[in-house]
Amino acid sequence: AQRVTQPEKLLSVFKGAPVELKCNYSYSGSPELFWYVQYSRQRLQLLLRHISRESIKGFTADLNKGETSFHLKKPFAQEEDSAMYYCALSAGAGGTSYGKLTFGQGTILTVHP
Amino acid sequence: EPEVTQTPSHQVTQMGQEVILRCVPISNHLYFYWYRQILGQKVEFLVSFYNNEISEKSEIFDDQFSVERPDGSNFTLKIRSTKLEDSAMYFCASKRARLAGGTGELFFGEGSRLTVL
Repeated sequence: AQRVTQPEKLLSVFKGAPVELKCNYSYSGSPELFWYVQYSRQRLQLLLRHISRESIKGFTADLNKGETSFHLKKPFAQEEDSAMYYCALSAGAGGTSYGKLTFGQGTILTVHP
Repeated sequence: EPEVTQTPSHQVTQMGQEVILRCVPISNHLYFYWYRQILGQKVEFLVSFYNNEISEKSEIFDDQFSVERPDGSNFTLKIRSTKLEDSAMYFCASKRARLAGGTGELFFGEGSRLTVL
C-alpha cells in the first residue's frame, strides 16, 4: 500500500526565512515522488519531481530512501510562496498503478511580510 | 499551453439526483484520472482510465460512480444517485504516456465543486 504523510497542516514563516515542508512516505517498491502546489483559486500544478533533481522557484527536494522522506526546502521564503503544498507518490515506471498519485494531507504555507 | 478543462465549475444538486461532471483532457494524453477532495481533507484517487477502460479504481469508486470517454475528447464522471457525502471538489487529470516522451507528471483541471443538498 502507498501512503504519504505530511505532518504539518499549517506552517508560517516570515519573508526571507528558510522553510522546510516535511513529507514521509511508505511504499515497498521504488516510488516517484512529487511536490504539487496549489495557489489560491488555482489548479494543482507540479512544482518538482525527484527524478529531475531540479530547483523550481528556489525550492529543492531530495529523496532520502533511508528515511523514506522527500522534504521540500527553500532557503529564503517569499510572500508569493504562500500556498497549499502537496507531497505525492506514484508507483514508478515499473509499477502497475498506471500513474496513480497518492497525496499527503497538504501543508498550508503562509509567508508573512 | 494546453490545459485540462472541467465543467461545470460548481454544481448544486439534490440528494438522489444524477450528476455528470465533464473534463476535456490534454489532447495527446493517454491516461485519465478523477480525484476528489472533500473540504478539509486530502486529495483522494477515485479512478484511472486507459485504453478505453478503467485501469484502477479506489474503494470510494463504488457502483454509484461510472466514467466514460464517449467521443475521444471528453472524459466524464457520473454519479448515479448522489449522497450528501459526495459533496466535494472533483479534479480531473491527464498524463501523457512515457513512451511518447511523457513523465510521471499529472496535469490537473481546476476542479468541479459538487454540493449535494
